[in-house]
Amino acid sequence: DAKTTQPTSMDCAEGRAANLPCNHSTISGNEYVYWYRQIHSQGPQYIIHGLKNNETNEMASLIITEDRKSSTLILPHATLRDTAVYYCIVRFFNDMRFGAGTRLTVKP
Amino acid sequence: EAQVTQNPRYLITVTGKKLTVTCSQNMNHEYMSWYRQDPGLGLRQIYYSMNVEVTDKGDVPEGYKVSRKEKRNFPLILESPSPNQTSLYFCASSSLAVRANTDTQYFGPGTRLTVL
Repeated sequence: DAKTTQPTSMDCAEGRAANLPCNHSTISGNEYVYWYRQIHSQGPQYIIHGLKNNETNEMASLIITEDRKSSTLILPHATLRDTAVYYCIVRFFNDMRFGAGTRLTVKP
Repeated sequence: EAQVTQNPRYLITVTGKKLTVTCSQNMNHEYMSWYRQDPGLGLRQIYYSMNVEVTDKGDVPEGYKVSRKEKRNFPLILESPSPNQTSLYFCASSSLAVRANTDTQYFGPGTRLTVL
C-alpha cells in the first residue's frame, strides 16, 4: 500500500505557482520523500526528493513540514507542459510504492 | 545520454504465445525492476534485481519471469501470456549502494502490451 495521500486532481493557471500537497503521516525517520511525474503514458520522471530540509532544483521546490508528516511540491511558474500526474512517494531504499497521484492540469 | 530503453514499445499478441520484453540501461546500475501500470491501480512492481544473477518477486509476479545475466539487461518474459496481462509495462534502474535511498530511479519509455 502507498504510504501517501494526495488529492485526486488540481488545476493551475499557466504562469502561476502550482502547489501540490502530500500527506505521509506514517513516515519513518530514514524514509525519503520523492516526487515523480508522468506525462501521458510516458515513463515516470524524477522531480525532486528530500529527507528533512526543504529542497530546490531547476524544476521545483519541496517543502517538508517539521514533523515530516506532510510535504508540498511547488512548481513556481507552471506551464502547459507541466500537465501530468504527480506522484508523492515515501521511499525506503529501492522500495518505491506509487499511489494514484494528483492529476495536475495547467490551464491557459 | 543516460537512459533506459525498452523493446518493443508496442506489442499485440495472442494468448499463450511466449514473448519477451527487453530492457537495457547504460548507467552501470545494479538495481533494475519491472512495473506494470493499469488504470486505477497505479504502478505495481513485478520483479526486481539487486545485481547480476539476483532477482526477487515484487508485488505482482504471477505469470512473469525475469533474468539478469548481464548488468545492463533485464528482460521480462511472459511464458504464456493471458488477456489479464494486457497493460503498460515500465522498466526502471538505479544504483544500489549504501546511499540507495537518495539515488534516482530512471524509467524507460514503456511497452504497451495487448494480449488477445
